[in-house]
Amino acid sequence: KQEVTQIPAALSVPEGENLVLNCSFTDSAIYNLQWFRQDPGKGLTSLLLIQSSQREQTSGRLNASLDKSSGRSTLYIAASQPGDSATYLCAAVSGNTGKLIFGQGTTLQVKP
Amino acid sequence: NAGVTQTPKFRILKIGQSMTLQCTQDMNHNYMYWYRQDPGMGLKLIYYSVGAGITDKGEVPNGYNVSRSTTEDFPLRLELAAPSQTSVYFCASSKATDATYNEQFFGPGTRLTVL
Repeated sequence: KQEVTQIPAALSVPEGENLVLNCSFTDSAIYNLQWFRQDPGKGLTSLLLIQSSQREQTSGRLNASLDKSSGRSTLYIAASQPGDSATYLCAAVSGNTGKLIFGQGTTLQVKP
Repeated sequence: NAGVTQTPKFRILKIGQSMTLQCTQDMNHNYMYWYRQDPGMGLKLIYYSVGAGITDKGEVPNGYNVSRSTTEDFPLRLELAAPSQTSVYFCASSKATDATYNEQFFGPGTRLTVL
């Protein structure tokens, strides 16, 4: 059974700092891994999707990597801004029905 | 496109009441999903559908029912509401082009409280 873990649960950094959010999964037979952003009281916004054959994906200041052999994914945020403050969730897809297994999320606070 | 829409945004139910959470998508997506999110937790899959007329259980289906009569709509039915069903419910959809690419798009959620 796939389990997804995100550590730490919360992170506070000063503005401008580069940072890495971690995601680990127990079953390496994943189809893809997605990173989402969730603002307080809001729905989820898809940030990046890494297919099983890919090693990384980039969008603007965000870079997500995938290492299936070690069961790990990271989300790198460059030059963090206060507007990046949100909860970041990773989710793995293990079957062909697209069912997402979510981690508990990392709540990021970027201080001005 | 409106994307994925959910109604209502908020609802308070008494124990034992029932209700239907509505979800509609206008992106012609074949796959649709219902998740619940408890405070401070990630999301857990309740039910999903890979096309009209086809539904299946997720991780936490007890106390819920679904139907999918059209591509656009995927309502979630709560029968005999219990306090344990207090949660935020999210509907999602995707156009699964292949098993490795299945980007899901989420609705804004319905906040349900059962008292």
